Amino acid sequence: AQSVTQLDSQVPVFEEAPVELRCNYSSSVSVYLFWYVQYPNQGLQLLLKYLSGSTLVKGINGFEAEFNKSQTSFHLRKPSVHISDTAEYFCAVIKSGGYNKLIFGAGTRLAVHP
Amino acid sequence: DAGVTQSPTHLIKTRGQQVTLRCSPKSGHDTVSWYQQALGQGPQFIFQYYEEEERQRGNFPDRFSGHQFPNYSSELNVNALLLGDSALYLCASSGTGGTEAFFGQGTRLTVV
Repeated sequence: AQSVTQLDSQVPVFEEAPVELRCNYSSSVSVYLFWYVQYPNQGLQLLLKYLSGSTLVKGINGFEAEFNKSQTSFHLRKPSVHISDTAEYFCAVIKSGGYNKLIFGAGTRLAVHP
Repeated sequence: DAGVTQSPTHLIKTRGQQVTLRCSPKSGHDTVSWYQQALGQGPQFIFQYYEEEERQRGNFPDRFSGHQFPNYSSELNVNALLLGDSALYLCASSGTGGTEAFFGQGTRLTVV
């Protein structure tokens, strides 16, 4: 079975500061990794995904994440945040190679202050 | 492309009632999954439909059932509603061999 742990439930940060949202996962099989963003009263939007290849993946809105197999981590980063980045962020995994369910972490609330 | 559409957006039901939620997948997608997101938590997988059959199921009771139609749209039915069923219900679609799930805006169900 797979599991996802998001290490911070809330991350406050000032506008234009860098931010890192941490995600660790556990799995006995190969997985694909995802970060989704959820704005208030909305569904989930994919920020980026890691399937294979380069461990540094770039996504939308200036976000990037690095896959670290030895540490089973997939941390999300942005060098300079904006007020509009305030949202809930979810890390998720799926077993690679087939139709499988997404396993989500509990989420990290990013609050960007002016 | 309208993306994944869900209806209704909000509804309020009384404990013990039954509810049906609807989902139209993104154009070209044939697989629909349903998730329950309780307040302050991450989404939890309910089940997945492909070719009108339930292909996978999460840890949810039989009160939760679903259906997929020939046009790939899907319904989620919940019987004998409990207060704890109050949540945002998300539908996600994906295509054959696809690795990305596209989510709808969700249906906010409140059970009183």
